[in-house]
Amino acid sequence: TQLLEQSPQFLSIQEGENLTVYCNSSSVFSSLQWYRQEPGEGPVLLVTVVTGGEVKKLKRLTFQFGDARKDSSLHITAAQPGDTGLYLCAGGKTSGSRLTFGEGTQLTVNP
Amino acid sequence: NAGVMQNPRHLVRRRGQEARLRCSPMKGHSHVYWYRQLPEEGLKFMVYLQKENIIDESGMPKERFSAEFPKEGPSILRIQQVVRGDSAAYFCASKKQEVAEAFFGQGTRLTVV
Repeated sequence: TQLLEQSPQFLSIQEGENLTVYCNSSSVFSSLQWYRQEPGEGPVLLVTVVTGGEVKKLKRLTFQFGDARKDSSLHITAAQPGDTGLYLCAGGKTSGSRLTFGEGTQLTVNP
Repeated sequence: NAGVMQNPRHLVRRRGQEARLRCSPMKGHSHVYWYRQLPEEGLKFMVYLQKENIIDESGMPKERFSAEFPKEGPSILRIQQVVRGDSAAYFCASKKQEVAEAFFGQGTRLTVV
């Protein structure tokens, strides 16, 4: 049973478009993290959200944690080819528990 | 501050040999995760350790796989008698106790021939 469901699984868009990636669960998480992974590399941490309803911005990326701490979204404004990669969400029930990953969203931004 | 270091980056083993994957956590980090990733798939949890203790090994196969994180030195993921199905990228991540953020190494790509 997959605890974290990411959608869409694949997304191919043109440069300049906006997009949103979703991470949903029926479980409550104490924190949720978003990572970006490029081919042949390890995941790179983008952001951690811990408070229900929290919104964090990282340049053109906006991350939101659901009020009930069961879901999260990543919105990218004016996507660029450099945004291409595998976006992964990961949640922990507590800070001392295992980190569970979603299956990822493979984003391709075409020039 | 050096990041999480994994070595080797690439490892080729013949069927039946042993594979040893090493992970040196970031300075000050006391906890290590190991994950396995197949091409175009997500990360599958294997084991979660702190120094000299296994916290959660529910994702680790019962046979041939073992992990340790000694008081001194790197964490080691050991795969005995490797089979072709063990071919994958293995990532480790480290974190401080009671902090959510985990930072990943660049992975070890194991190929079993």
